[in-house]
Amino acid sequence: SQTIHQWPATLVQPVGSPLSLECTVEGTSNPNLYWYRQAAGRGLQLLFYSVGIGQISSEVPQNLSASRPQDRQFILSSKKLLLSDSGFYLCAWRSRTSGSGDEQFFGPGTRLTVL
Amino acid sequence: KQEVTQIPAALSVPEGENLVLNCSFTDSAIYNLQWFRQDPGKGLTSLLLIQSSQREQTSGRLNASLDKSSGRSTLYIAASQPGDSATYLCADSGTYKYIFGTGTRLKVLA
Repeated sequence: SQTIHQWPATLVQPVGSPLSLECTVEGTSNPNLYWYRQAAGRGLQLLFYSVGIGQISSEVPQNLSASRPQDRQFILSSKKLLLSDSGFYLCAWRSRTSGSGDEQFFGPGTRLTVL
Repeated sequence: KQEVTQIPAALSVPEGENLVLNCSFTDSAIYNLQWFRQDPGKGLTSLLLIQSSQREQTSGRLNASLDKSSGRSTLYIAASQPGDSATYLCADSGTYKYIFGTGTRLKVLA
């Protein structure tokens, strides 16, 4: 069965510090991978998605970046965190091999607090 | 551009009640419609996926329907329980990108 891991689970960082969040998927190959952010009391905001190694699409201009160094690894980074980067970060995957009938599955999330 | 709306934003019901959660979308050319559940501080859990060619899907006490012509999907929860308390989100799965509604926060009172 497929599983998706995110770490760390929680993170408290000072403004201006760097960030690296990691997401890995097991039990599948060639997944579409996604990074979302959920601010307190707000909906899901798609940040990045990737359809393959090294292929990243950005949805929202910001000080965050994403990379996909391996097929099942997706990394969210920042060189200098802002207060507004605080939120709940969710990684998700979706099978690329099926057409209709495919589902999106989410990781447990990382709670980031920027002080 | 597809927009997905969920009304109401919050709902409280007594235990045992049957209830319906609503999801509306502006573009009837929906890819697939997926319903999720999110518990506080947790990731999203997939509940049901309705393919664009289907009308409904059922899992246990949950039944989701899709009416593309009217731009609506509903999630029916039978005999609600306090454990059903969570935020429920619907999404148009799209070819690559999901478009989410803002969710309905459900509280089932014991």
